[in-house]
Amino acid sequence: GAGVSQSPRYKVAKRGQDVALRCDPISGHVSLFWYQQALGQGPEFLTYFQNEAQLDKSGLPSDRFFAERPEGSVSTLKIQRTQQEDSAVYLCASSSRGIGGNTIYFGEGSWLTVV
Amino acid sequence: GESVGLHLPTLSVQEGDNSIINCAYSNSASDYFIWYKQESGKGPQFIIDIRSNMDKRQGQRVTVLLNKTVKHLSLQIAATQPGDSAVYFCAEGEANSKLTFGKGITLSVRP
Repeated sequence: GAGVSQSPRYKVAKRGQDVALRCDPISGHVSLFWYQQALGQGPEFLTYFQNEAQLDKSGLPSDRFFAERPEGSVSTLKIQRTQQEDSAVYLCASSSRGIGGNTIYFGEGSWLTVV
Repeated sequence: GESVGLHLPTLSVQEGDNSIINCAYSNSASDYFIWYKQESGKGPQFIIDIRSNMDKRQGQRVTVLLNKTVKHLSLQIAATQPGDSAVYFCAEGEANSKLTFGKGITLSVRP
């Protein structure tokens, strides 16, 4: 595709509900990143994939957060039993190589509000 | 133009002036640095990047300067336009590792 595509763009979830956020990276991009951005803050790293391999998940805040990229293309970030502090923008990014390689492009984000 | 460190979250400049946005990074092992622009309701948009083996890189109306001795990065925008109004983030990274973002600075362009 022309850019990184994320869906849904906006999601309101009731506390305790499970949510799934989808990311379609730029076609052919090997690396995929998930970031969390709270209001007024910079993006915070969650996890990183190279193809289907999850190479770094050190930023996932709890075991309620789970990410997958089974075929090395589309990725899903799942949040179980959502809590109010999970409210944030979830950004997906991709690049044709890893960090220090090619440019990292971001999607427009999925805005999650937990009520 | 004016310059501001990350401890001052807003930079206001007159349209047509040059802007300088500064960033202090923390990881001396970082070898890749990027500036992003983020408009309200949108994702970060790539502006320019620089690797640690360079100290200056120029793009269209933008210049990034890297001083590894003091771990300082700056973004210069020439002839600032209203469309440049946004939040600007610097980010640093190492090969095969994650990007770490700074807190961001709001650039406001006065007509």
